[in-house]
Amino acid sequence: AQKVTQAQTEISVVEKEDVTLDCVYETRDTTYYLFWYKQPPSGELVFLIRRNSFDEQNEISGRYSWNFQKSTSSFNFTITASQVVDSAVYFCALSEAGANSKLTFGKGITLSVRP
Amino acid sequence: DGGITQSPKYLFRKEGQNVTLSCEQNLNHDAMYWYRQDPGQGLRLIYYSQIVNDFQKGDIAEGYSVSREKKESFPLTVTSAQKNPTAFYLCASSAYWDRVNEQFFGPGTRLTVL
Repeated sequence: AQKVTQAQTEISVVEKEDVTLDCVYETRDTTYYLFWYKQPPSGELVFLIRRNSFDEQNEISGRYSWNFQKSTSSFNFTITASQVVDSAVYFCALSEAGANSKLTFGKGITLSVRP
Repeated sequence: DGGITQSPKYLFRKEGQNVTLSCEQNLNHDAMYWYRQDPGQGLRLIYYSQIVNDFQKGDIAEGYSVSREKKESFPLTVTSAQKNPTAFYLCASSAYWDRVNEQFFGPGTRLTVL
């Protein structure tokens, strides 16, 4: 069975600080996909990134970066120079390959960025 | 504008009543999903549908029912058999039924059972 653990439940930082959100996953499959979603106070989940298990390159998109390490089964998300608009709940999710694949979500991390 | 719409945004019902939550997408996506979100619990899958007229139970299907008569619509009925229906319900869709791809979410419906 697959599992996603987001051990941090709440993080509070001051604007312009860097912050890293941790994600650890478990799966028996060799082919799988990892995702990060952002849920702002409005409630709608916003897709941020998808990464497959064969691509361990780190990715940077503006102030966002992701560090995928298969050796530690982790897919961590870093926000550089955080802003108040980054305040949200962030979910990490895992999907195993196959036509019936479904997303398994972690419990989410509530990030508060204070001015 | 392409996207997923859910209605209503807030819904109040008396205990024992069935209620149907609407989900419509105009993205021409094959697959659609229903999730339930409770505080501190993350998202849990209720039902999903990969193609029209076909759907599968997720992890917490008891007390819920769905239909997929049209590609763009995937309504969820919360029945009186659902013991604790008060929650935030999210609908999602993804482009292809036969491969893993990201899911896109609607704005959600907050259901409160009084």
